[in-house]
Amino acid sequence: DTGVSQDPRHKITKRGQNVTFRCDPISEHNRLYWYRQTLGQGPEFLTYFQNEAQLEKSRLLSDRFSAERPKGSFSTLEIQRTEQGDSAMYLCASTIGGGRVETQYFGPGTRLLVL
Amino acid sequence: SQQGEEDPQALSIQEGENATMNCSYKTSINNLQWYRQNSGRGLVHLILIRSNEREKHSGRLRVTLDTSKKSSSLLITASRAADTASYFCATVSPSTGANSKLTFGKGITLSVRP
Repeated sequence: DTGVSQDPRHKITKRGQNVTFRCDPISEHNRLYWYRQTLGQGPEFLTYFQNEAQLEKSRLLSDRFSAERPKGSFSTLEIQRTEQGDSAMYLCASTIGGGRVETQYFGPGTRLLVL
Repeated sequence: SQQGEEDPQALSIQEGENATMNCSYKTSINNLQWYRQNSGRGLVHLILIRSNEREKHSGRLRVTLDTSKKSSSLLITASRAADTASYFCATVSPSTGANSKLTFGKGITLSVRP
């Protein structure tokens, strides 16, 4: 299967610890998105890459958050000094880009619980 | 911030019945998309409708778009227990430019009773 994959699927951490999530997009997709979803809400946009360039960051992305896509393939999202409010599902999506209308393909998500 | 609001928030129907879900949004759009999410899982794309389209069909799904009312509806015909999930509408705004980020509503929880 060549869908979007995310690792880990679940992460439990203590407040103050750092965590890193990985997303592997569909191989030919040059655009990659990170979203965050809290319980009972729809996903909210965090950041967007076109190839290796991070082109937009939401104001939801505080300075404790950093995302990279070093070779334009997989991406990582790191949260430093986690807080209980960071508990959420972190979703990655990819799309091929370049066209006027694009479907985003989502991974299964990483569920983070900060104790 | 959430762009769309789905209505109703929860819907329970019997297998075989039709399910109609509505979405309203606030700003102009390039397109509107509907996604399904099974409990605790990722999102699955269902259907996309462009701002210059009024209706689209895909299998048992029918989506309509009324840009004058800034609203859309998703109809699932002949529902099945496997349709039980949360459904989200998401919009792409012209202001996003090349970043076609999605702005989601809060979702509708659909339960289909066998």
